[in-house]
Amino acid sequence: QKEVEQNSGPLSVPEGAIASLNCTYSDRGSQSFFWYRQYSGKSPELIMFIYSNGDKEDGRFTAQLNKASQYVSLLIRDSQPSDSATYLCAVNRMGSQGNLIFGKGTKLSVKP
Amino acid sequence: DTAVSQTPKYLVTQMGNDKSIKCEQNLGHDTMYWYKQDSKKFLKIMFSYNNKELIINETVPNRFSPKSPDKAHLNLHINSLELGDSAVYFCASSHGSPLHFGNGTRLTVT
Repeated sequence: QKEVEQNSGPLSVPEGAIASLNCTYSDRGSQSFFWYRQYSGKSPELIMFIYSNGDKEDGRFTAQLNKASQYVSLLIRDSQPSDSATYLCAVNRMGSQGNLIFGKGTKLSVKP
Repeated sequence: DTAVSQTPKYLVTQMGNDKSIKCEQNLGHDTMYWYKQDSKKFLKIMFSYNNKELIINETVPNRFSPKSPDKAHLNLHINSLELGDSAVYFCASSHGSPLHFGNGTRLTVT
């Protein structure tokens, strides 16, 4: 079983719509969950992190965590063409905060 | 000012050569990392140093040798380069989490 799984996409949404990105993980001991955005040819950029079950909102972004289901999601409201990128889900290895396991990423395309 | 900086940005070399990538961070973080992103965009940890001490060493060929002269610097030396080493190498730093990544070094081995 892969440690962090994401649908590779591409996920295509029209401008102004809600984009929903999903991630599942296998390590029940993981405590920290991250969403990174990576534009083509650029480095990953942190956009959200979440540690507790439930929702966390930051501007147009909402991260959702369900530890019982081992599921993390990212919602992007009012999607813009500039949101078009690959979104990487990352989960820490149990007992090691900075040792992150990344999913392969979901490519999001927002059409004007 | 760039928080995590790597040099060089691009590195093209031939098989069998030895090369180094340098990384510096000015965030005051105590932990630094090397991650490798392969052609399929899969990002995977290679090494981690905390205050100059190696704390994570994933299954990486011993041709790869990290070195941390101080907690703000983490360099990566690669001996006897192989075609499969072609990838983007990202340096990162953290104080706990989350990670802050450098801009990456695209290594191409021909």
